Amino acid sequence: GENVEQHPSTLSVQEGDSAVIKCTYSDSASNYFPWYKQELGKRPQLIIDIRSNVGEKKDQRIAVTLNKTAKHFSLHITETQPEDSAVYFCAARHSGTYKYIFGTGTRLKVLA
Amino acid sequence: EADIYQTPRYLVIGTGKKITLECSQTMGHDKMYWYQQDPGMELHLIHYSYGVNSTEKGDLSSESTVSRIRTEHFPLTLESARPSHTSQYLCASSPSGGGDEQYFGPGTRLTVT
Repeated sequence: GENVEQHPSTLSVQEGDSAVIKCTYSDSASNYFPWYKQELGKRPQLIIDIRSNVGEKKDQRIAVTLNKTAKHFSLHITETQPEDSAVYFCAARHSGTYKYIFGTGTRLKVLA
Repeated sequence: EADIYQTPRYLVIGTGKKITLECSQTMGHDKMYWYQQDPGMELHLIHYSYGVNSTEKGDLSSESTVSRIRTEHFPLTLESARPSHTSQYLCASSPSGGGDEQYFGPGTRLTVT
């Protein structure tokens, strides 16, 4: 069935360093790939997204890359700050059903 | 204010009870979703809807039902609550047309004793 694999499950970085989280999806009919940040006790918030017709998108310190051939997409956070500490989820949405499949999450800890 | 609302925010209930979790959005979105999420863990799709009178099953749909009689309202019903239903339930919505972003409600934290 459809699934999205996400790695790593936990990631600790020093403040100012970069963090990279990777996802792989299985359904070639997926055409939209959002990334969500979820702080403890809060709802998931969209931080960046990319459509299948784009290879890369950047928004200040956050960027997402997509390799459709390999079915990989990655989140890049540069110059990390303590407030970036949270759980990050990737997702893939099916183009026909609009059904989202989420990755298992990455707990990012930025050490001051 | 345009947002997505869930009630109750917290619920403690005994095994075997029937419960309905409410979700309403004031953004006029056609698509709505229910997810189950244990703290810090992945989101599992329970049910979703494309619009009024449309409901579709997700991966965890067997023990619950939904209805979509009005665009803004998408309640989730557990016919007989069990301890394994203890979790957080998140409602979400997204617009039709060119809009992609999925907006989440604040969640209902359910405990079944």
